[in-house]
Amino acid sequence: QVPLQESGPRLVKPSETLSLTCDVSALSMNSDYYWAWIRQTPGKGLEWIGSFCHIGNTHYNPSVEGRVTISLDTSKNHLFLSLTSVTAADTAVYYCARHGRPYSGSGSSYGWFDPWGQGTLATVSS
Amino acid sequence: EIVLTQSPATLSLSPGEGATLSCRASENVGRQFAWYQQKPGQAPRLLIIDASNRATGIPARFSGSVSGTDFTLTISSLEPEDFAVYYCQQRYNWPFTFGQGTRLEIK
Repeated sequence: QVPLQESGPRLVKPSETLSLTCDVSALSMNSDYYWAWIRQTPGKGLEWIGSFCHIGNTHYNPSVEGRVTISLDTSKNHLFLSLTSVTAADTAVYYCARHGRPYSGSGSSYGWFDPWGQGTLATVSS
Repeated sequence: EIVLTQSPATLSLSPGEGATLSCRASENVGRQFAWYQQKPGQAPRLLIIDASNRATGIPARFSGSVSGTDFTLTISSLEPEDFAVYYCQQRYNWPFTFGQGTRLEIK
């Protein structure tokens, strides 16, 4: 079983909102972990988008801050990514991943992304 | 943000040879550093954490080292499955950042 599985529309129009879901039901959703989104483009390589922990800590990359929201539905074991006002530059393979949270049981894995989902390609085009 | 610069962009070697991949951080990141391997069509795979510790299940032919802001990934004897793209990453500061990758290809 794939531990993380991304899904969402593969084609989004410019200026609209990209919305992706990551099914994390194969993993524990306890508060020891951050849940992250990372994207990959041929031009910019791997780019960390943001990390969310459901005890209230959220961090976003300044490159997308103001346009991005990461949230978690613990009842459905789903992680969400919302990216507004998209342009062609947001075309990428989007991955969800998990990493540890400092001062917790997973502190040693803080910042190390493992596992990852298999990724989903989202294309911004009219 | 901390910029990670990897070199070389491409490394051409034969199975059985040793490989040395480098990554330089734009500022001090201590040992808050990792390496990943990515094969075509797959997500990156965590190889090395804390600059020199192998992640779970990673073969002993992979090793990492650090000198100041210069980090090195060494593969002692290349296996056919090692030919892939390798990325470095820092967790010292938000935003977490990655290097641009080194492609290890079969010569």
